[in-house]
Amino acid sequence: ETGVTQSPTHLIKTRGQQVTLRCSSQSGHNTVSWYQQALGQGPQFIFQYYREEENGRGNFPPRFSGLQFPNYSSELNVNALELDDSALYLCASSLKGAGYEQYFGPGTRLTVT
Amino acid sequence: AQSVTQLGSHVSVSEGALVLLRCNYSSSVPPYLFWYVQYPNQGLQLLLKYTSAATLVKGINGFEAEFKKSETSFHLTKPSAHMSDAAEYFCAVSDHLEYGNKLVFGAGTILRVKS
Repeated sequence: ETGVTQSPTHLIKTRGQQVTLRCSSQSGHNTVSWYQQALGQGPQFIFQYYREEENGRGNFPPRFSGLQFPNYSSELNVNALELDDSALYLCASSLKGAGYEQYFGPGTRLTVT
Repeated sequence: AQSVTQLGSHVSVSEGALVLLRCNYSSSVPPYLFWYVQYPNQGLQLLLKYTSAATLVKGINGFEAEFKKSETSFHLTKPSAHMSDAAEYFCAVSDHLEYGNKLVFGAGTILRVKS
């Protein structure tokens, strides 16, 4: 069974640029959630995708957007990067209706300068 | 809205001592509760979950947690700390979405284990 994978591991961007983060869900899972974890804080829910549609969104502006593909992998896109976007971005996969737990990838560390 | 409060941002114990990490939740419906562990520069690993079955839940690595509805608590314990338990621990409550659920996390507790 393959776990959740994310790419890249780290990246550095400049304020105002755009970034795309990628996530492959665990085998058999059909739902992907994205979380932002700022330094010293707990993860904050960004949004979730189920059947390629957004299924709930946290308190994040529209410049945070996402996609889910037919193979259940997902992308997180952030436009017009701000310094406060510097964080660890975590992807989690789950199987709708099966226990409610989510399984997390290792994360992508984004630094905005 | 669901929320979680973790009491104590840092906890320090000696190797072999009892570990107690505190979590209180607020939920308008019967909650599903989770504990996750995060090692430095890594993602979150599920330790255990409560989903309305037995109130005492056993997880991996010798951890367990007890759901107490009257106290709205879900504290994490381990009888004897090991050096490898040093990490950050997050309590989370499930919040329903239209077709699934999201997790609402506490701020985390960093566990230090002294030799």
